[in-house]
Amino acid sequence: ILNVEQSPQSLHVQEGDSTNFTCSFPSSNFYALHWYRWETAKSPEALFVMTLNGDEKKKGRISATLNTKEGYSYLYIKGSQPEDSATYLCAFWGSSGSARQLTFGSGTQLTVLP
Amino acid sequence: NAGVTQTPKFQVLKTGQSMTLQCAQDMNHEYMSWYRQDPGMGLRLIHYSVGAGITDQGEVPNGYNVSRSTTEDFPLRLLSAAPSQTSVYFCASSYRGGSPDTQYFGPGTRLTVL
Repeated sequence: ILNVEQSPQSLHVQEGDSTNFTCSFPSSNFYALHWYRWETAKSPEALFVMTLNGDEKKKGRISATLNTKEGYSYLYIKGSQPEDSATYLCAFWGSSGSARQLTFGSGTQLTVLP
Repeated sequence: NAGVTQTPKFQVLKTGQSMTLQCAQDMNHEYMSWYRQDPGMGLRLIHYSVGAGITDQGEVPNGYNVSRSTTEDFPLRLLSAAPSQTSVYFCASSYRGGSPDTQYFGPGTRLTVL
């Protein structure tokens, strides 16, 4: 079982604040790191797929960085809005034995207060 | 495209009953997978398939069977339901079996076992 950890578990911020969360994953047998946004009562939706050490991806006010050598990724949200409230999942695509699997962290639940 | 569809949306079973959760995708994706989502535990992989006729176990396969007779369909069978299988089940698919492509998730099936 591959260990993928996310911190913090939950976060409350005020509208307009910028925030960031962390995803830690194994630094060996790395293939990709995914970020998903999961709103209540909906399905997870992909934000980023990152494959190279030093990758930086951006979509609007949301960006992510990747460090495969030390096994972490940061997700940043600039100027948070209430519609950013969701659970943010990271997932590590690596190998467990001979199998390649996507292993999810337990998520960071973000609440943006108006 | 309908994307990834799952049926039923809700199901209540009694302990010992069997049932099949249906998953279909119309995107010609090679890779399909089943996850269960439990509070505080994120998404855990049950079974996955890298193509028609090929299936493999994920992190929590016990009590579940899968088959992949066509590219489009990937049903999940509960052989003898137990209360521990009460969960929300998500099916996901991605384009290529061996590559870390974005996962597209279905709407989920909420299962309660009494």
